[in-house]
Amino acid sequence: DTGVSQDPRHKITKRGQNVTFRCDPISEHNRLYWYRQTLGQGPEFLTYFQNEAQLEKSRLLSDRFSAERPKGSFSTLEIQRTEQGDSAMYLCASSILGEVAYNEQFFGPGTRLTVL
Amino acid sequence: GQNIDQPTEMTATEGAIVQINCTYQTSGFNGLFWYQQHAGEAPTFLSYNVLDGLEEKGRFSSFLSRSKGYSYLLLKELQMKDSASYLCAVTDSNYQLIWGAGTKLIIKP
Repeated sequence: DTGVSQDPRHKITKRGQNVTFRCDPISEHNRLYWYRQTLGQGPEFLTYFQNEAQLEKSRLLSDRFSAERPKGSFSTLEIQRTEQGDSAMYLCASSILGEVAYNEQFFGPGTRLTVL
Repeated sequence: GQNIDQPTEMTATEGAIVQINCTYQTSGFNGLFWYQQHAGEAPTFLSYNVLDGLEEKGRFSSFLSRSKGYSYLLLKELQMKDSASYLCAVTDSNYQLIWGAGTKLIIKP
């Protein structure tokens, strides 16, 4: 048990619907990451937060995707007007970045999205 | 651009040894991670190298050569449960993880 939780674990939706995923990181971790992973590929970076500040967004992240981490604790990822190409596993990870470079990321179980 | 290369798939026999290679080209370097990922599950941490040389942890060892932009993961005494994807990831100058596509390791009895 890594301590990172995600909800829901599975989501099936129809094309055009909006979906929202939640991630609860390990409590003392100040960094939170969102990734998307498709079969046979490594995780694809979407965005990350340091505390409540969203510091970077992937150029691949369209304006249909938005993420928040309002109080520097849990985070939500929303996809508006879903498309079939959005079907993937959405992974959340957290880490603590202090004075050392070591930045192991702890992953949650992921949310598998299927867009019909 | 930033690039991580590793073989797509490898096959090995139970009880044997296998080496999974990873080469990288990134903007800066602050360490290299190996993660294991079983099908349908999240990646889990295996090893971290930031200095050149070999890090040994039980049946798994990881090697790094920063001058060559090269790492390998060595798995000894392979077990069926080692069948998984092995992901190489490099921390760049912004402390972001750049991920390879993973190597699917198939263990045969």
